[in-house]
Amino acid sequence: DVKVTQSSRYLVKRTGEKVFLECVQDMDHENMFWYRQDPGLGLRLIYFSYDVKMKEKGDIPEGYSVSREKKERFSLILESASTNQTSMYLCASRSWGSYNEQFFGPGTRLTVL
Amino acid sequence: AQSVTQLGSHVSVSEGALVLLRCNYSSSVPPYLFWYVQYPNQGLQLLLKYTSAATLVKGINGFEAEFKKSETSFHLTKPSAHMSDAAEYFCAVSEGSGNTGKLIFGQGTTLQVKP
Repeated sequence: DVKVTQSSRYLVKRTGEKVFLECVQDMDHENMFWYRQDPGLGLRLIYFSYDVKMKEKGDIPEGYSVSREKKERFSLILESASTNQTSMYLCASRSWGSYNEQFFGPGTRLTVL
Repeated sequence: AQSVTQLGSHVSVSEGALVLLRCNYSSSVPPYLFWYVQYPNQGLQLLLKYTSAATLVKGINGFEAEFKKSETSFHLTKPSAHMSDAAEYFCAVSEGSGNTGKLIFGQGTTLQVKP
Protein backbone atom coordinates (compact mmCIF):
# COMPACT_ATOMS: atom_id res chain seq x y z
CA ASP A 1 0.00 0.00 0.00
CA VAL A 2 1.10 3.51 -0.77
CA LYS A 3 1.80 5.46 2.34
CA VAL A 4 1.82 9.23 2.52
CA THR A 5 2.69 10.67 5.91
CA GLN A 6 2.57 14.23 7.19
CA SER A 7 4.75 15.45 10.01
CA SER A 8 1.98 16.74 12.26
CA ARG A 9 -1.75 16.13 12.61
CA TYR A 10 -2.36 19.33 14.54
CA LEU A 11 -0.24 22.47 14.68
CA VAL A 12 -0.73 25.80 16.42
CA LYS A 13 1.45 28.75 15.42
CA ARG A 14 1.50 32.48 15.98
CA THR A 15 1.09 35.19 13.36
CA GLY A 16 4.39 35.98 11.69
CA GLU A 17 6.04 32.65 12.47
CA LYS A 18 7.71 30.61 9.73
CA VAL A 19 5.93 27.27 9.42
CA PHE A 20 7.13 24.07 7.80
CA LEU A 21 4.76 21.28 6.85
CA GLU A 22 6.47 18.07 5.81
CA CYS A 23 5.16 15.27 3.62
CA VAL A 24 6.83 11.95 2.85
CA GLN A 25 5.71 9.20 0.47
CA ASP A 26 7.19 5.72 0.27
CA MET A 27 6.19 4.58 -3.24
CA ASP A 28 8.73 6.37 -5.40
CA HIS A 29 6.04 8.61 -6.91
CA GLU A 30 7.19 11.36 -9.21
CA ASN A 31 4.45 13.88 -8.46
CA MET A 32 3.55 15.43 -5.14
CA PHE A 33 0.89 17.99 -4.28
CA TRP A 34 -0.12 20.38 -1.52
CA TYR A 35 -3.77 21.37 -1.05
CA ARG A 36 -5.64 23.38 1.49
CA GLN A 37 -9.17 22.46 2.43
CA ASP A 38 -11.70 24.93 3.78
CA PRO A 39 -15.43 24.42 4.46
CA GLY A 40 -17.51 25.09 1.36
CA LEU A 41 -14.44 25.56 -0.85
CA GLY A 42 -13.36 21.97 -1.32
CA LEU A 43 -9.70 21.29 -2.07
CA ARG A 44 -7.60 24.02 -3.59
CA LEU A 45 -4.20 23.29 -5.08
CA ILE A 46 -1.37 25.36 -3.63
CA TYR A 47 1.70 23.90 -5.35
CA PHE A 48 2.75 20.70 -7.00
CA SER A 49 6.03 19.11 -7.99
CA TYR A 50 6.62 16.69 -10.82
CA ASP A 51 10.25 15.93 -10.06
CA VAL A 52 13.02 16.67 -7.61
CA LYS A 53 13.71 20.41 -7.44
CA MET A 54 10.81 21.09 -9.84
CA LYS A 55 7.71 22.95 -8.73
CA GLU A 56 4.64 24.51 -10.29
CA LYS A 57 2.20 26.99 -8.83
CA GLY A 58 -1.32 25.81 -8.29
CA ASP A 59 -4.42 27.92 -7.92
CA ILE A 60 -3.57 29.69 -4.64
CA PRO A 61 0.24 29.92 -4.23
CA GLU A 62 0.32 33.36 -2.59
CA GLY A 63 1.86 33.29 0.86
CA TYR A 64 3.35 29.83 0.37
CA SER A 65 6.53 28.29 -0.99
CA VAL A 66 7.65 24.68 -1.39
CA SER A 67 10.80 22.62 -1.43
CA ARG A 68 11.54 19.25 -2.95
CA GLU A 69 15.14 18.24 -2.42
CA LYS A 70 14.48 14.50 -2.38
CA LYS A 71 11.98 12.50 -4.38
CA GLU A 72 10.11 11.21 -1.35
CA ARG A 73 9.78 14.51 0.52
CA PHE A 74 7.77 17.63 -0.30
CA SER A 75 7.69 20.53 2.11
CA LEU A 76 5.22 23.39 2.30
CA ILE A 77 6.52 26.61 3.83
CA LEU A 78 4.55 29.52 5.20
CA GLU A 79 7.15 32.30 5.28
CA SER A 80 5.13 34.47 7.67
CA ALA A 81 2.00 32.78 8.90
CA SER A 82 -1.23 34.76 8.96
CA THR A 83 -4.60 34.00 10.50
CA ASN A 84 -6.18 33.49 7.06
CA GLN A 85 -3.86 30.52 6.58
CA THR A 86 -5.66 28.62 9.32
CA SER A 87 -6.85 25.54 7.46
CA MET A 88 -6.51 21.82 6.86
CA TYR A 89 -3.49 21.05 4.66
CA LEU A 90 -3.43 17.87 2.63
CA CYS A 91 -0.47 16.32 0.85
CA ALA A 92 -0.84 13.84 -2.01
CA SER A 93 1.34 11.91 -4.41
CA ARG A 94 0.90 10.10 -7.69
CA SER A 95 2.80 8.10 -10.23
CA TRP A 96 3.04 9.12 -13.88
CA GLY A 97 0.72 7.13 -16.12
CA SER A 98 -1.71 6.36 -13.29
CA TYR A 99 -4.73 8.23 -14.73
CA ASN A 100 -3.74 10.99 -12.30
CA GLU A 101 -5.00 8.98 -9.31
CA GLN A 102 -3.65 10.59 -6.16
CA PHE A 103 -2.88 9.12 -2.75
CA PHE A 104 -3.43 11.37 0.25
CA GLY A 105 -1.83 11.83 3.62
CA PRO A 106 -3.88 12.23 6.82
CA GLY A 107 -3.76 16.01 6.77
CA THR A 108 -2.39 18.70 9.08
CA ARG A 109 -4.85 21.00 10.79
CA LEU A 110 -3.01 24.30 11.21
CA THR A 111 -4.26 27.04 13.47
CA VAL A 112 -2.59 30.45 13.30
CA LEU A 113 -3.32 32.68 16.29
CA ALA B 1 -10.40 23.62 -18.58
CA GLN B 2 -12.06 20.75 -16.80
CA SER B 3 -14.49 21.39 -13.97
CA VAL B 4 -16.64 19.43 -11.53
CA THR B 5 -19.97 20.32 -9.94
CA GLN B 6 -21.39 18.40 -7.03
CA LEU B 7 -25.08 19.08 -6.55
CA GLY B 8 -25.93 19.48 -2.89
CA SER B 9 -23.36 20.34 -0.27
CA HIS B 10 -25.28 18.30 2.31
CA VAL B 11 -27.28 15.12 1.81
CA SER B 12 -29.16 13.39 4.63
CA VAL B 13 -30.53 9.85 4.42
CA SER B 14 -31.89 7.32 6.86
CA GLU B 15 -29.94 4.20 7.67
CA GLY B 16 -30.86 1.54 5.10
CA ALA B 17 -31.99 4.06 2.48
CA LEU B 18 -30.50 4.62 -0.96
CA VAL B 19 -27.54 6.97 -1.15
CA LEU B 20 -27.27 9.15 -4.26
CA LEU B 21 -24.53 11.78 -4.53
CA ARG B 22 -24.51 13.76 -7.76
CA CYS B 23 -21.51 14.80 -9.81
CA ASN B 24 -21.41 16.51 -13.19
CA TYR B 25 -18.22 17.30 -15.03
CA SER B 26 -17.06 19.24 -18.01
CA SER B 27 -14.15 17.99 -20.02
CA SER B 28 -12.90 18.58 -23.53
CA VAL B 29 -11.43 15.10 -23.74
CA PRO B 30 -12.63 11.68 -22.56
CA PRO B 31 -12.34 12.03 -18.81
CA TYR B 32 -10.92 9.97 -16.02
CA LEU B 33 -13.22 10.38 -13.02
CA PHE B 34 -12.83 9.65 -9.33
CA TRP B 35 -14.79 9.57 -6.11
CA TYR B 36 -12.94 10.05 -2.84
CA VAL B 37 -14.26 9.81 0.72
CA GLN B 38 -12.99 11.75 3.73
CA TYR B 39 -13.86 10.66 7.25
CA PRO B 40 -13.62 13.29 10.00
CA ASN B 41 -10.10 14.57 10.57
CA GLN B 42 -8.60 12.22 8.01
CA GLY B 43 -7.17 12.46 4.51
CA LEU B 44 -8.96 11.44 1.33
CA GLN B 45 -9.39 7.77 0.43
CA LEU B 46 -10.17 6.55 -3.07
CA LEU B 47 -13.65 4.99 -3.35
CA LEU B 48 -13.63 4.22 -7.08
CA LYS B 49 -12.42 5.45 -10.45
CA TYR B 50 -13.56 5.47 -14.08
CA THR B 51 -10.77 5.04 -16.61
CA SER B 52 -12.79 4.41 -19.82
CA ALA B 53 -13.39 0.71 -19.34
CA ALA B 54 -16.81 -0.36 -18.00
CA THR B 55 -19.25 2.53 -17.50
CA LEU B 56 -20.55 1.04 -14.23
CA VAL B 57 -17.74 1.13 -11.73
CA LYS B 58 -17.80 -0.71 -8.42
CA GLY B 59 -15.82 0.58 -5.49
CA ILE B 60 -15.16 -0.16 -1.87
CA ASN B 61 -17.78 -0.33 0.90
CA GLY B 62 -20.62 -1.19 -1.52
CA PHE B 63 -20.47 2.05 -3.51
CA GLU B 64 -20.74 2.25 -7.27
CA ALA B 65 -20.92 4.96 -9.90
CA GLU B 66 -22.11 5.09 -13.47
CA PHE B 67 -20.40 7.14 -16.16
CA LYS B 68 -22.98 8.71 -18.49
CA LYS B 69 -21.33 10.58 -21.30
CA SER B 70 -24.57 12.02 -22.69
CA GLU B 71 -25.38 13.57 -19.32
CA THR B 72 -21.74 14.36 -18.41
CA SER B 73 -22.46 12.76 -15.05
CA PHE B 74 -20.76 10.37 -12.67
CA HIS B 75 -23.20 9.95 -9.79
CA LEU B 76 -22.28 7.86 -6.76
CA THR B 77 -24.79 5.39 -5.32
CA LYS B 78 -25.13 2.83 -2.57
CA PRO B 79 -28.30 0.75 -2.18
CA SER B 80 -28.41 0.81 1.60
CA ALA B 81 -26.76 3.46 3.78
CA HIS B 82 -24.88 2.51 6.90
CA MET B 83 -24.05 4.78 9.81
CA SER B 84 -20.36 4.37 8.99
CA ASP B 85 -20.94 6.00 5.57
CA ALA B 86 -21.29 9.42 7.20
CA ALA B 87 -18.42 11.41 5.71
CA GLU B 88 -17.55 13.98 3.08
CA TYR B 89 -17.42 12.83 -0.51
CA PHE B 90 -15.46 14.45 -3.33
CA CYS B 91 -15.83 13.92 -7.05
CA ALA B 92 -12.78 14.70 -9.19
CA VAL B 93 -11.88 14.81 -12.89
CA SER B 94 -8.43 14.33 -14.31
CA GLU B 95 -6.81 17.22 -16.14
CA GLY B 96 -3.73 16.91 -18.29
CA SER B 97 -1.47 13.91 -18.45
CA GLY B 98 2.09 12.85 -18.01
CA ASN B 99 4.21 14.70 -15.54
CA THR B 100 1.88 17.69 -15.13
CA GLY B 101 -1.43 15.84 -14.82
CA LYS B 102 -3.60 16.71 -11.84
CA LEU B 103 -7.11 16.38 -10.44
CA ILE B 104 -9.84 18.98 -10.35
CA PHE B 105 -12.10 18.49 -7.33
CA GLY B 106 -15.72 19.35 -6.71
CA GLN B 107 -16.76 21.29 -3.63
CA GLY B 108 -17.65 18.15 -1.72
CA THR B 109 -20.89 16.68 -0.36
CA THR B 110 -21.35 15.89 3.29
CA LEU B 111 -23.41 12.75 3.81
CA GLN B 112 -25.38 12.48 7.05
CA VAL B 113 -26.90 9.11 7.95
CA LYS B 114 -29.75 9.18 10.46
CA PRO B 115 -30.58 6.18 12.62
